[in-house]
Amino acid sequence: DTGVSQDPRHKITKRGQNVTFRCDPISEHNRLYWYRQTLGQGPEFLTYFQNEAQLEKSRLLSDRFSAERPKGSFSTLEIQRTEQGDSAMYLCASSLSPGTSVHNEQFFGPGTRLTVL
Amino acid sequence: AQKVTQAQTEISVVEKEDVTLDCVYETRDTTYYLFWYKQPPSGELVFLIRRNSFDEQNEISGRYSWNFQKSTSSFNFTITASQVVDSAVYFCALSGINAGNMLTFGGGTRLMVKP
Repeated sequence: DTGVSQDPRHKITKRGQNVTFRCDPISEHNRLYWYRQTLGQGPEFLTYFQNEAQLEKSRLLSDRFSAERPKGSFSTLEIQRTEQGDSAMYLCASSLSPGTSVHNEQFFGPGTRLTVL
Repeated sequence: AQKVTQAQTEISVVEKEDVTLDCVYETRDTTYYLFWYKQPPSGELVFLIRRNSFDEQNEISGRYSWNFQKSTSSFNFTITASQVVDSAVYFCALSGINAGNMLTFGGGTRLMVKP
């Protein structure tokens, strides 16, 4: 399978607990993105990496959220002290950098659905 | 700031009907890219098409066609002879050249195709 993979696919947690999600991008893609999608809405951008550098963070990414991409390959998204409002689908996408022949087309993973009780 | 509006939240058609999904966008960038994604019930976003702001040619791919009109900031998507398998939520998205490649999505249009 050469697509974007995410783990776990579903996570149920109690309010106040910490959770961590993992994303494995398409291997040759140097850009990796995190989005959040709540029920009935379009995905909203959270943050993105070029290789291991985190280049942009949305205002949606509160200080309880942290994302890493330590070796420029897989990425993790951690949410500390989860709240019920964090319940959503967390989507990961990857792409090549602009300037290549496949300019900024993003390929999405299946998502991690988080439910905070 | 970037914004994408999909005014139709839900559309229901009978199989074989043609259907057009509307998308209107706002951006200050002179170079930008527009996208359509499909999200079937399984939940995974599937890329359908990308257009850049310099290419206003309409595009047809099988039963799908796209009408990009810069003058009205619209990028509409038409499905001809709809099929039940087309039932999904469709998202229009925008990426400005100065937006770090991030996508701004519209709210989506849920298409239901009934047999």
